Amino acid sequence: DVKVTQSSRYLVKRTGEKVFLECVQDMDHENMFWYRQDPGLGLRLIYFSYDVKMKEKGDIPEGYSVSREKKERFSLILESASTNQTSMYLCASSFALAGGRGSGANVLTFGAGSRLTVL
Amino acid sequence: LAKTTQPISMDSYEGQEVNITCSHNNIATNDYITWYQQFPSQGPRFIIQGYKTKVTNEVASLFIPADRKSSTLSLPRVSLSDTAVYYCLARNTGFQKLVFGTGTRLLVSP
Repeated sequence: DVKVTQSSRYLVKRTGEKVFLECVQDMDHENMFWYRQDPGLGLRLIYFSYDVKMKEKGDIPEGYSVSREKKERFSLILESASTNQTSMYLCASSFALAGGRGSGANVLTFGAGSRLTVL
Repeated sequence: LAKTTQPISMDSYEGQEVNITCSHNNIATNDYITWYQQFPSQGPRFIIQGYKTKVTNEVASLFIPADRKSSTLSLPRVSLSDTAVYYCLARNTGFQKLVFGTGTRLLVSP
C-alpha cells in the first residue's frame, strides 16, 4: 500500500517560532501537496510540487514555504508561526499528470494529518 | 478561480441510497473527476474516479453527464459507518492545481 507519513501528529508551538512539517511517501510519486483544513473551509491548497526542487503556489501560500530536495520528501515551513496558522495540515502525493488523460494524477494518497496549535 | 460546489450537508437513514452532486463548471477537458471520503482525525481516502458516463466499484457509483459540468456520487444502501465528509476533486482548465470542494457532511442515522 502507498504510504504517506507525516512526521508529527500533534504539535504545539509559540507565536514567532519556526515550524517544520515533514512528509514522506514511499511510492515514487512525482507530485506532492500540502493542504490546510479548517472547519467550514474544506481543504485548501498551500503549495504543491511536481518534481524535485520544483514548487508551485496553491491558493493560500502566504506565510508558508516548502522544500523538496528529494523525490520522497516534501516539507512545509512556517518561518514565523502565527495563531491564525493553527490548523490541521495534510500532505498528499500522486503520480504525475500524464500527457493524455490524467487518471493517476488525481488519485491522491493522504497522510494522517498534523494538527498544529500556535499559542 | 472557479471551485467545485457541493451541498454542505445531507442526512440519510441506514439502508437508503444517497446521491451527492458536485458542480465543476470549468473542468479541464482531459481530466478525471475523483471523490474522497474523510472520517474525523484522518486524511481523505480515495473512493472512485471517472471521466464520463458511469463508473461503479465495490464502494460507490459515479455518474457524469456528457457535458461533464457536474458529477454525482451514489452510495447504495448506506450504513452508519458511511457517516463522513465527502469531497469531489477536479482540475480547472489550464491549471495544474487540484481544487477540492468544501465537502458534503453526510450523517447516516439508524
